[in-house]
Amino acid sequence: GAGVSQSPSNKVTEKGKDVELRCDPISGHTALYWYRQSLGQGLEFLIYFQGNSAPDKSGLPSDRFSAERTGGSVSTLTIQRTQQEDSAVYLCASSPQTSYTDTQYFGPGTRLTVL
Amino acid sequence: AQSVTQLDSQVPVFEEAPVELRCNYSSSVSVYLFWYVQYPNQGLQLLLKYLSGSTLVKGINGFEAEFNKSQTSFHLRKPSVHISDTAEYFCAVSANTGFQKLVFGTGTRLLVSP
Repeated sequence: GAGVSQSPSNKVTEKGKDVELRCDPISGHTALYWYRQSLGQGLEFLIYFQGNSAPDKSGLPSDRFSAERTGGSVSTLTIQRTQQEDSAVYLCASSPQTSYTDTQYFGPGTRLTVL
Repeated sequence: AQSVTQLDSQVPVFEEAPVELRCNYSSSVSVYLFWYVQYPNQGLQLLLKYLSGSTLVKGINGFEAEFNKSQTSFHLRKPSVHISDTAEYFCAVSANTGFQKLVFGTGTRLLVSP
């Protein structure tokens, strides 16, 4: 079946611009995660959604970062006033979340380059 | 809080040789442990995970890992590697309560040459 998809695959933007990154989880998966993979920080957790519950935003690095999940499915990660240190690969993952031990399935990522 | 240390940033090995990728973790609570693989320009794929029970865990592609609580380690092994195993390998940990918030190590690049 279809896996987690992310768009765009690559995004180049200028410093100070806003960007939106999209994630389509596997159908039926209620849990959705965003991670960031950068040279300086490695792989780090950003935010977690479970169904219609309030998200856990504990990993967001600044208030320029926000995310929403519409209808319990598609999620959008928004970065406002982008900075060069935001350059990274942004990964999305989903899981069935019938149990906290469920496997997270990752998408291919969006590579963001801030000039 | 949890942390993961992967001391080897790169491991070169010849095809058909055995390999061990090291992972040590730190946590004040009980944890689940994971190994993920990332092939070039692809997302992460789960190789195996330790939740409870037997400390020897077998995964996909012939990989296995052993959980050692006293040494807080979860080393990944394969008895005979292939060229196609060339990839980045990430060890990760999550607390066994709350949601599965993965904390990753810095990764080990496995380079398999003929």
